[in-house]
Amino acid sequence: EAQVTQNPRYLITVTGKKLTVTCSQNMNHEYMSWYRQDPGLGLRQIYYSMNVEVTDKGDVPEGYKVSRKEKRNFPLILESPSPNQTSLYFCASSPGLAGGPVEQFFGPGTRLTVL
Amino acid sequence: GNSVTQMEGPVTLSEEAFLTINCTYTATGYPSLFWYVQYPGEGLQLLLKATKADDKGSNKGFEATYRKETTSFHLEKGSVQVSDSAVYFCALAPNTGNQFYFGTGTSLTVIP
Repeated sequence: EAQVTQNPRYLITVTGKKLTVTCSQNMNHEYMSWYRQDPGLGLRQIYYSMNVEVTDKGDVPEGYKVSRKEKRNFPLILESPSPNQTSLYFCASSPGLAGGPVEQFFGPGTRLTVL
Repeated sequence: GNSVTQMEGPVTLSEEAFLTINCTYTATGYPSLFWYVQYPGEGLQLLLKATKADDKGSNKGFEATYRKETTSFHLEKGSVQVSDSAVYFCALAPNTGNQFYFGTGTSLTVIP
């Protein structure tokens, strides 16, 4: 089954404790992205990657890191989480943008709470 | 810059009522436009899309027409069902650059 998977689905942590949220897709997509969803703000793009070893900042990259060492994986790293990073996070992938923007496929989301 | 503005929610309708959710955008060039739906506890799913002016996207009884003159992409459905209860997001992807931009989402509840 074609899908985007995220782990963990739920996470409660404390301020300053490094964490990683994993994202993996099995569709051989070139484009991957991370979003956070907050009430009244919709989805905001954190980082995206056009392909392996190519990553770029989205609109809200502060406090986050990403890496793209393999095509299928795109982990989101919070080196020192703070309470304002409490949010619902979505990973998404897309076949690529070379032929124009196409739909993104979303993972099920990760609910993060930072105390 | 690029941005999407959606009508405020929440929206509550009776079954079989007509639905309109307004979406307007600001973009450079000629973006592609999307409607995504998010059912409770799930990720977003593409509902429909349009890639150029005057295109009409349609799926599951929902429709939206890309209106360049009014920079709008309003979502409509003639007769909603309880199963349509969800959050709906309007989004755009500029034809230059590699980012996607989403609206704030509109929550729809359909009551029997």
